[in-house]
Amino acid sequence: AQSVTQLDSQVPVFEEAPVELRCNYSSSVSVYLFWYVQYPNQGLQLLLKYLSGSTLVESINGFEAEFNKSQTSFHLRKPSVHISDTAEYFCAVSGTGRRALTFGSGTRLQVQP
Amino acid sequence: DADVTQTPRNRITKTGKRIMLECSQTKGHDRMYWYRQDPGLGLRLIYYSFDVKDINKGEISDGYSVSRQAQAKFSLSLESAIPNQTALYFCATSDSTVYGYTFGSGTRLTVV
Repeated sequence: AQSVTQLDSQVPVFEEAPVELRCNYSSSVSVYLFWYVQYPNQGLQLLLKYLSGSTLVESINGFEAEFNKSQTSFHLRKPSVHISDTAEYFCAVSGTGRRALTFGSGTRLQVQP
Repeated sequence: DADVTQTPRNRITKTGKRIMLECSQTKGHDRMYWYRQDPGLGLRLIYYSFDVKDINKGEISDGYSVSRQAQAKFSLSLESAIPNQTALYFCATSDSTVYGYTFGSGTRLTVV
């Protein structure tokens, strides 16, 4: 079985401050890892993913995530957030051979001016 | 037009009624999924289908059924709606889990 834990349900942060959204997973097989973002009243959009190779992956809007196999983590970071980053962020995992993604409970990022 | 279209966008229905949520996609993907989103619980898998003849239950399939009418269409039915099925429902498609999903905009269902 596979599971995802997002420990923080809400993360308030001031504009231009750094942020880290935490994600831990468990799986008995090798994994693919994803971060999705959901803006208010919208569906989910793929932000970034780790499949193999370099453990640090980046998105086009300044987010990055690092795969840490020993700590079974895939934390999402941004060095300086904007008001427009206010959204809910979901971590998801798929073990190789698994047929569907398993999602975490989500973290609501609230960027304040 | 959106790659993944869900209808209706919003629906209020009464307990005991049968309701169908529809999903169609123009991505040409074989794989389609239905998830429900509840506050604090994230997204949970209801059903998924890898082709018209391959339909599988997810972790919370009780009370739901699905129909894969064509490669592009995947419908979710609530045979007898109950209030705890009030949620935001998402359809998604993919070529492969490796590439991630494309999501629809969701259907907000309220059962009163």
